[in-house]
Amino acid sequence: DIQMTQSPSSMSASLGDRVTINCQASQDIGKNLIWFQQKPGKSPRPMIYFATTLANGVPSRFSGSRSGSDYSLTIRSLESEDMADYHCLQYKQYPYTFGAGTKLELK
Amino acid sequence: QVQLKESGPGLVQPSQTLSLTCTVSGFSLTSNSVHWVRQPPGKGLEWVGAIWSGGSTEYHSALKSRLSISRDTSKSQVFLKMNSLQTEDTAVYFCTKYFDYWGQGVMVTVSS
Repeated sequence: DIQMTQSPSSMSASLGDRVTINCQASQDIGKNLIWFQQKPGKSPRPMIYFATTLANGVPSRFSGSRSGSDYSLTIRSLESEDMADYHCLQYKQYPYTFGAGTKLELK
Repeated sequence: QVQLKESGPGLVQPSQTLSLTCTVSGFSLTSNSVHWVRQPPGKGLEWVGAIWSGGSTEYHSALKSRLSISRDTSKSQVFLKMNSLQTEDTAVYFCTKYFDYWGQGVMVTVSS
């Protein structure tokens, strides 16, 4: 199975901060990665497709990048509505696998 | 608009079988895949399996021996059946149209 190592597991940041969340794939997954945002009691919301493509309706302060097997989700200037859990998903190979998640909290 | 809704029992006894239904609208099951994802309380997401537009299925290797996913296209429903349930199967179960649209999830507790 492909392991997705997500870091950090939790972080606190201030409004206006630049925040980066990372996922490292144990094997090549190309651009077959989705980033999700999940708020308490809600379903996951896709934020970034194909590692770098912003999903419809997602604010432009969100971006995705890739360097080899390392994938990053960046929030350029943190807003209060961005406090949530974030998950990455690889869909290159079965079983599809998620990272363990990152809890983003307000400092 | 696209909607998915999970339904099923909230409580299942250990060793029993879980049956969940995902009722969809706004899209065709013969043109789209539906996946099941679960989330134990306070933990991360886990892909469970999928049924593709042509009707073929894929299951998580760790669950394959206990899991079955099927559908009724005439009723726009996808079914998940998992047997020999254990407490570790306690989770919110989501169905999703290839990860872009999601149901609200259904909490399943495995307990006697």
